[in-house]
Amino acid sequence: NAGVTQTPKFRVLKTGQSMTLLCAQDMNHEYMYWYRQDPGMGLRLIHYSVGEGTTAKGEVPDGYNVSRLKKQNFLLGLESAAPSQTSVYFCASSYRSDRGNTEAFFGQGTRLTVV
Amino acid sequence: TQLLEQSPQFLSIQEGENLTVYCNSSSVFSSLQWYRQEPGEGPVLLVTVVTGGEVKKLKRLTFQFGDARKDSSLHITAAQPGDTGLYLCAGPNYGGSQGNLIFGKGTKLSVKP
Repeated sequence: NAGVTQTPKFRVLKTGQSMTLLCAQDMNHEYMYWYRQDPGMGLRLIHYSVGEGTTAKGEVPDGYNVSRLKKQNFLLGLESAAPSQTSVYFCASSYRSDRGNTEAFFGQGTRLTVV
Repeated sequence: TQLLEQSPQFLSIQEGENLTVYCNSSSVFSSLQWYRQEPGEGPVLLVTVVTGGEVKKLKRLTFQFGDARKDSSLHITAAQPGDTGLYLCAGPNYGGSQGNLIFGKGTKLSVKP
């Protein structure tokens, strides 16, 4: 089982450059998420999607855009990278059970450095 | 806004010791999850607790959900170096139009041989 796959795994950008992070899941999950993880800050939600064609803002959406054109893919874009966006980015997907508990499956992360 | 606070933030112990880490909130959660994250990897789900007062065991790990469903604890018996990692609790956030997961900041556990 591939699960959740993120590409690329590492990237170095110059300030002002743009890039797209790709997340793909093969579990037919409705929900997909993008988090960033910084030391001492835990996992913070950037954007999420509850289904194909839908997106919503999370806790720290500024400077990022997302698209969910296909159910299995969730793209995270940085239009003009800034050093403050240096972080480890995690994609996750989940289903929702009848009890409302949402269990997330994570990718291995993308380590992004903006210089 | 629902918040999950984890304590302690860091814990360093010797192999064979017991430990407990905590996840607390002022809000009621329908369920809570515990994840473990190893360096360079994404978090992996350990357990979900859904009923107030529920206790679940996973080998040497014991998880408890508070009666009021506002807190949870993770107890590890006879810790081993393989238990080293970041332990995160998470719960569904229904403050928005749809549910999504919110995470605590985690407890970083180091078990020394």
